[in-house]
Amino acid sequence: NAGVTQTPKFQVLKTGQSMTLQCAQDMNHEYMSWYRQDPGMGLRLIHYSVGAGITDQGEVPNGYNVSRSTTEDFPLRLLSAAPSQTSVYFCASSRPGGGAEAFFGQGTRLTVV
Amino acid sequence: TQLLEQSPQFLSIQEGENLTVYCNSSSVFSSLQWYRQEPGEGPVLLVTVVTGGEVKKLKRLTFQFGDARKDSSLHITAAQPGDTGLYLCAGTTSGTYKYIFGTGTRLKVLA
Repeated sequence: NAGVTQTPKFQVLKTGQSMTLQCAQDMNHEYMSWYRQDPGMGLRLIHYSVGAGITDQGEVPNGYNVSRSTTEDFPLRLLSAAPSQTSVYFCASSRPGGGAEAFFGQGTRLTVV
Repeated sequence: TQLLEQSPQFLSIQEGENLTVYCNSSSVFSSLQWYRQEPGEGPVLLVTVVTGGEVKKLKRLTFQFGDARKDSSLHITAAQPGDTGLYLCAGTTSGTYKYIFGTGTRLKVLA
């Protein structure tokens, strides 16, 4: 029962480097999303997808890119890392419909130096 | 822009005390959820409320959705150290799948 799997768990990047955070779910959920969590800010939505081939921006999309080629996978790309992107990143998935339970991965702690 | 404000931001209490956490917004939500998050883990759902005025109980936790569906509260009776964690409210608006999360309340219950 894997649920939502995120890799890596920890990452250190230098300013300007690019990388991809991986997210996979095995629950056949249509809805997937990426959040960043910073102290005192709760979770802020970066990008989300309501199904394969469909993505949209959340509250804080700048500097991030996503694609959804399959139901299972929803990678998040940092195009050119900046210190302001130091954060903990969470991927979540859920069934469609407001009020459905969101299942979260364990998070990726990213530090940009 | 954060649409959901939680208060208090931090709370440190003794075991056995009662507490209430508030989640407020100027927006109307079609549903509101409460999650608890422990260090190094993702949030885990506690409850979902969908009807204005709805009250749900989960053992010592009582959740209420405001009549106008703009606010919610979480009341814990006789808090225990195991209740320690970050509590997050999250709302969804009609016609969207987006979850808007609150700013979070960090609770510490001392033995």
